[in-house]
Amino acid sequence: DAKTTQPNSMESNEEEPVHLPCNHSTISGTDYIHWYRQLPSQGPEYVIHGLTSNVNNRMASLAIAEDRKSSTLILHRATLRDAAVYYCILSAVGSGGSNYKLTFGKGTLLTVNP
Amino acid sequence: DTGVSQNPRHKITKRGQNVTFRCDPISEHNRLYWYRQTLGQGPEFLTYFQNEAQLEKSRLLSDRFSAERPKGSFSTLEIQRTEQGDSAMYLCASSLADQIDTQYFGPGTRLTVL
Repeated sequence: DAKTTQPNSMESNEEEPVHLPCNHSTISGTDYIHWYRQLPSQGPEYVIHGLTSNVNNRMASLAIAEDRKSSTLILHRATLRDAAVYYCILSAVGSGGSNYKLTFGKGTLLTVNP
Repeated sequence: DTGVSQNPRHKITKRGQNVTFRCDPISEHNRLYWYRQTLGQGPEFLTYFQNEAQLEKSRLLSDRFSAERPKGSFSTLEIQRTEQGDSAMYLCASSLADQIDTQYFGPGTRLTVL
């Protein structure tokens, strides 16, 4: 499985933007980039995914480098409820469900200060 | 609530006892995944079903573990002769068998083996 590298922790202030980086230098052409987050005492929650182009949804934006070897999850205005562990995960496209098992690393623990 | 549900939420057992957990996926989802998460780590894949067929098992799933999804709806995960090392959060996720396969997680069952 292609690996991802994320900082162990980051800190932000409430209502400020947060940029969470992820390096994936061994990404293959068929790998999607997924972000999930896990709030305290809850199961992981899907945030966003992308392949090549930048993506926006109601939760966040995903900026993907042109060479796809890194990506950044952007929370435009952090709130206290965004405090969580954020996981950057690669999974292959197509060829059956077994390629979709998510391989989680330790993620980035985001602390949001009031 | 139409999300993934898991029961029980907490289970405390003595070493050597058998335990069974239940997962009810989102109703139209045909894929179901089990993961295990220990303190400070990201979730680790255990096994997955497409409808009632168990298509992949991790090496983490020793012969004391068995999972079923008899009618392609709910699933059970049984651990026989529990050991202290089995103490963890057991997470269930479900998804549609589409190209992206976004997984929706339940709240987990926290197992403590004394």
